[in-house]
Amino acid sequence: QSVLTQPPSVSGAPGQRVTVSCSGSSSNIGAGYDIHWYQQLPGTAPKLLIYGNGNRPSGVPDRFSGSKSGTSASLAITGLQPEDEADYYCQSYDSSLSGYVFGTGTKVAVL
Amino acid sequence: QVQLQESGPGLVKPSETLSLTCAVSGYSISTTYYWGWIRQPPGKGLEWIGSIYYSGSTFYNPSLKSRVTISVDTSKNQFSLKLSSVTAADTALYYCARQSGSGTVVRNWFDLWGQGTLVTVSS
Repeated sequence: QSVLTQPPSVSGAPGQRVTVSCSGSSSNIGAGYDIHWYQQLPGTAPKLLIYGNGNRPSGVPDRFSGSKSGTSASLAITGLQPEDEADYYCQSYDSSLSGYVFGTGTKVAVL
Repeated sequence: QVQLQESGPGLVKPSETLSLTCAVSGYSISTTYYWGWIRQPPGKGLEWIGSIYYSGSTFYNPSLKSRVTISVDTSKNQFSLKLSSVTAADTALYYCARQSGSGTVVRNWFDLWGQGTLVTVSS
């Protein structure tokens, strides 16, 4: 059972802006640990999308952005594209569990 | 470019030990970085299993710690996972990954992943 909670699904039309939330607690996000985001396209391994709360690795389009506030974090996708249809996971460190934790995952659908 | 490739039996019997290896190419495993194992049960989310530094230092998911051993073989540029006393609940896609980050290991993220290997626990 994950300590980082995400909505099961979000959807939007092409070109729209969608956000994926990641809700944590005082032992992970609220403790100041960084949030990282991964994109998992169907049938493939997860791919790093955002690291250190809001940094994009080389090659990741700038329509993806991340932010963190308090005990929550968000991934925003602006100008949604059909190829963005995938599962998205947040990840952090939890001091109570003494290890890395992943969010429950969110399926983004492009209508 | 850097690539990670998991290998090992796809079928393990209940109560036996699951053994997987992650071969790293394009980068020397003994240079730096932590290296990790993550799993994903069919249709479910990701779970971190444990991580190892090239020097052999390890840390594990407390929920699996009693059954997990991760080791590194720098001569073969690979690291391995052993999970003992497996049950059907251990059926999953197992991924190896390189960790990256600034500062302490608690700030790490997983920047490169293998393609994953499916392990089914069944008699």
